[in-house]
Amino acid sequence: DAKTTQPNSMESNEEEPVHLPCNHSTISGTDYIHWYRQLPSQGPEYVIHGLTSNVNNRMASLAIAEDRKSSTLILHRATLRDAAVYYCILRVLSYSGNTPLVFGKGTRLSVIA
Amino acid sequence: SAVISQKPSRDICQRGTSLTIQCQVDSQVTMMFWYRQQPGQSLTLIATANQGSEATYESGFVIDKFPISRPNLTFSTLTVSNMSPEDSSIYLCSVSNRGRGEKLFFGSGTQLSVL
Repeated sequence: DAKTTQPNSMESNEEEPVHLPCNHSTISGTDYIHWYRQLPSQGPEYVIHGLTSNVNNRMASLAIAEDRKSSTLILHRATLRDAAVYYCILRVLSYSGNTPLVFGKGTRLSVIA
Repeated sequence: SAVISQKPSRDICQRGTSLTIQCQVDSQVTMMFWYRQQPGQSLTLIATANQGSEATYESGFVIDKFPISRPNLTFSTLTVSNMSPEDSSIYLCSVSNRGRGEKLFFGSGTQLSVL
């Protein structure tokens, strides 16, 4: 699996936007970019994923560079409940769906009231 | 979406014993995976639980230590055998359906402490 690089930690003020970067310079054409987060004492939860175009959902936005070698997860207004470890993961495009997620170290986001 | 129930949620076990962790999903799913999360670390994939056949283990994990069953499309078990303190971790079940870019759902995990 292609590797991703994320900052170990980031800090944000409550109600401000947060931009979480991820570098994946060795991404291949068949890799989806997935973001998951893990709240304290919980299993990871899906945030968003994309292939080439920017994506938006109720939780976040995903901005993907034109060359796909980096991406940014955007939380539009951070809340205290967004404090978590955020994982950027590349997952092979597969119709069989049999590829698990390979987790890196992620970015620990702290939100300050 | 899928709702995953893991049992037990936590346990304290003696060295040399075995513990079986159950993963029950509220709907049929194609893929089931087992992960381990050691204290302060990220998640590591143990194996893919295949229905009706032997699980597929990742490097560093073997069937004798982590036997896995998957009798149907909604249930799987992971056994941690002959436990040592180094097995103290959180064990998580994850499920997904077949399809491009399908998301994974995770249980809350089983926190295991081995004395």
